[in-house]
Amino acid sequence: QVQVVQSGAEVKKPGASVKVSCKTSGYTFTDYYIHWLRQAPGQGLEWMGSINPRGGDTKYLQKFQGRVTVTRDTSISTAYMELSSLRSDDTATYFCARGGLNIWETYFKNWGLGTLVTVS
Amino acid sequence: EIVLTQSPATLSVSPGERATLSCRATQSISNNLAWYQQKPGQAPRLLIYGASTRATGIPARFSGSGSGTEFTLTISSLQSEDSAVYYCQQYDNWPPWTFGQGTKVEIK
Repeated sequence: QVQVVQSGAEVKKPGASVKVSCKTSGYTFTDYYIHWLRQAPGQGLEWMGSINPRGGDTKYLQKFQGRVTVTRDTSISTAYMELSSLRSDDTATYFCARGGLNIWETYFKNWGLGTLVTVS
Repeated sequence: EIVLTQSPATLSVSPGERATLSCRATQSISNNLAWYQQKPGQAPRLLIYGASTRATGIPARFSGSGSGTEFTLTISSLQSEDSAVYYCQQYDNWPPWTFGQGTKVEIK
């Protein structure tokens, strides 16, 4: 069965960076995009970026361009999201989710439990 | 960027009654719409994709309909465990993949 396991909660100071990991299992890692989304306390869901694990190509929400970097390590079926220059409004739960086999059918069936990042 | 607007913001329904949630897109997205359920402290759960196809394991009381710009999620007979926030998401025009702001379903 597909599993998506994220790293634990983080507390960071303003201006610092955070790197969250997302380890997957139960399927061929390079067959499915990995996406990163976030949810501020009491707010809705926001897509941040994605990576094609096969080729490493990425897509980012424009508001995060230059601050977010999504990478992957195919040898351990793990994706990473690094967010720099943290601000208080980056306090949120960050989710990774597996996309579909085809990028044009990107809805999110498999999610990690989320990683709470607190900037204070 | 496609903006999704969900209504109402909060819906209070008695157990056994029908709940109808709406999602409207700023331009046509064909049937490229998904619905999710999210309970406090949990990740979202995929309910519906392709506007009307239930995901694996989703009870038949959840149904989706619509195409173009108007979509509906219906819970035919509300159960206590259906208390949650429901989000729609479009995957027609990307990036970015966008979500509605959510509808909170409360049990009356």
